[in-house]
Amino acid sequence: DVKVTQSSRYLVKRTGEKVFLECVQDMDHENMFWYRQDPGLGLRLIYFSYDVKMKEKGDIPEGYSVSREKKERFSLILESASTNQTSMYLCASSLVGNTIYFGEGSWLTVV
Amino acid sequence: RKEVEQDPGPFNVPEGATVAFNCTYSNSASQSFFWYRQDCRKEPKLLMSVYSSGNEDGRFTAQLNRASQYISLLIRDSKLSDSATYLCVVNMNTGFQKLVFGTGTRLLVSP
Repeated sequence: DVKVTQSSRYLVKRTGEKVFLECVQDMDHENMFWYRQDPGLGLRLIYFSYDVKMKEKGDIPEGYSVSREKKERFSLILESASTNQTSMYLCASSLVGNTIYFGEGSWLTVV
Repeated sequence: RKEVEQDPGPFNVPEGATVAFNCTYSNSASQSFFWYRQDCRKEPKLLMSVYSSGNEDGRFTAQLNRASQYISLLIRDSKLSDSATYLCVVNMNTGFQKLVFGTGTRLLVSP
């Protein structure tokens, strides 16, 4: 089975803090994604990566950056957390053109 | 117009009922379509892909209508365990795997 692991499940951070969300997949997938999910807005794509060191902006990249130094790992970085970044963050991975698989999600609260 | 639209529901049905959801999409060039299921505070999981000729998986039937740009999901003989949010997902085929998620339709199956 495909395994996408988000190591931090529940975080509470203060406004202005730098936040790292880590994601690891074990199926050698080329594509990796970061989404956030908010009530009434559905899943929105923040960034995605189709290869090591490659990244593309999604629909809502402002306030976020990403890093993909190894194929299996894709990190989401909030340089200076703000309260409007309180959300559920979902990492996902896929082979090109195939089904995407999600991690269990990271619940971030910024106070 | 949203790229992918779903009725948020909730759809309240008794056990054993048949229920159907529709989802409309705006990009006529979209090539692939999926239904994902999401339980409360969990990650989305693939329920089924939607093929041009329609497809069935047990009690679940998915249909695609390209002319009217919608997909549908039919659930027969509803079970309590079918209670969840069903997400319509469309691959916009914009040169990379851009999946656009609907905001989901909530289904509640009661005894």
